Amino acid sequence: EDQVTQSPEALRLQEGESSSLNCSYTVSGLRGLFWYRQDPGKGPEFLFTLYSAGEEKEKERLKATLTKKESFLHITAPKPEDSATYLCAVPSGGSNYKLTFGKGTLLTVNP
Amino acid sequence: DAGVIQSPRHEVTEMGQEVTLRCKPISGHDYLFWYRQTMMRGLELLIYFNNNVPIDDSGMPEDRFSAKMPNASFSTLKIQPSEPRDSAVYFCASSFLRGRETQYFGPGTRLLVL
Repeated sequence: EDQVTQSPEALRLQEGESSSLNCSYTVSGLRGLFWYRQDPGKGPEFLFTLYSAGEEKEKERLKATLTKKESFLHITAPKPEDSATYLCAVPSGGSNYKLTFGKGTLLTVNP
Repeated sequence: DAGVIQSPRHEVTEMGQEVTLRCKPISGHDYLFWYRQTMMRGLELLIYFNNNVPIDDSGMPEDRFSAKMPNASFSTLKIQPSEPRDSAVYFCASSFLRGRETQYFGPGTRLLVL
């Protein structure tokens, strides 16, 4: 069974304190890995898609990287507005559209 | 574009009642997804459609759940009869083929079954 595990479950940072979130997966034949951001009371918002080991993508203070077994979301000099739950997901069950999500990392950035 | 639209945003009902959740996907998108999110299980795919046709409903928990997509701009998720364990946030998402697998989510419907 395809699985996605995110760690830590929660992370509290001070503004400007860089860190990384982890997403490890077990899936046969990776067809991409997705990162989403979810704010309280809202739907997940798409951030990145990574397709192959070694690939990196950046958006403002966020950088996502991918290896054969896991992905990292690096947050450089975070600001309070980066506080959210970050979700990763992989296509599973032989479909590019059937996403299996991890349970997310709740990031809190204190001013 | 208005994004994915869901209604109602909040629903409180009593056990045994029928609940209907509604979704309008982004115009031009040909895939539509229904998800359920709970603290215990996270975000789970229930069913998805392509060109209004259900492709995979293996995530639908039981026969009390049904989903339809009568046209490209409207879908419903129905629970009949509802039970307290159905309490969750239900999301609709849409996607289009040229955008590959990127799914765009609606704001969700928060359902509470008493």
